[in-house]
Amino acid sequence: EPEVTQTPSHQVTQMGQEVILRCVPISNHLYFYWYRQILGQKVEFLVSFYNNEISEKSEIFDDQFSVERPDGSNFTLKIRSTKLEDSAMYFCASRSPRGGFYNEQFFGPGTRLTVL
Amino acid sequence: GQNIDQPTEMTATEGAIVQINCTYQTSGFNGLFWYQQHAGEAPTFLSYNVLDGLEEKGRFSSFLSRSKGYSYLLLKELQMKDSASYLCAALDYQLTFGKGTKLSVIP
Repeated sequence: EPEVTQTPSHQVTQMGQEVILRCVPISNHLYFYWYRQILGQKVEFLVSFYNNEISEKSEIFDDQFSVERPDGSNFTLKIRSTKLEDSAMYFCASRSPRGGFYNEQFFGPGTRLTVL
Repeated sequence: GQNIDQPTEMTATEGAIVQINCTYQTSGFNGLFWYQQHAGEAPTFLSYNVLDGLEEKGRFSSFLSRSKGYSYLLLKELQMKDSASYLCAALDYQLTFGKGTKLSVIP
């Protein structure tokens, strides 16, 4: 069964460093998402991406964040200058265009980011 | 704005039935999702409702009342492996999640 994959599974970085989190969505999906979940808290929407551009973004997704689809398979989230409060699990998700707007999003296993 | 409320924790006995409630207030509405999340893992899709009524899927059922801003997830014949967090999420142009209900199934 096709699945969303994410690398690395765990990333440790120093405050102020740049990190890039990588995702490979399901191959025929066209809608891509990033979420984060701080330990013990709810899953929070960061950004959605379609047709090579951001379609929606939350207040969390400020100028420190950017997303890119550098090739036909990868979808990346970059945090330019990490802060302690960026420590969280980051989930990538993708959705098929078939069936319209309401299709389920498939989540990857997540990258645990720890900022020291 | 978006607001999703669900109970923080519930406990139920193996083999029993449990109902997890969710109320939501959203500026727009395009459906209500339920996800299951085991500790340290990704959310996995359980159900989706956009019209009022009950959707049944094996041991899991989900109900929606749009006029009341209310949904519930019903789990029947509980198994130990059902111990997890259950996330209610409302969709407008993005998914807004509740804090999740941690369900503990006891023998």
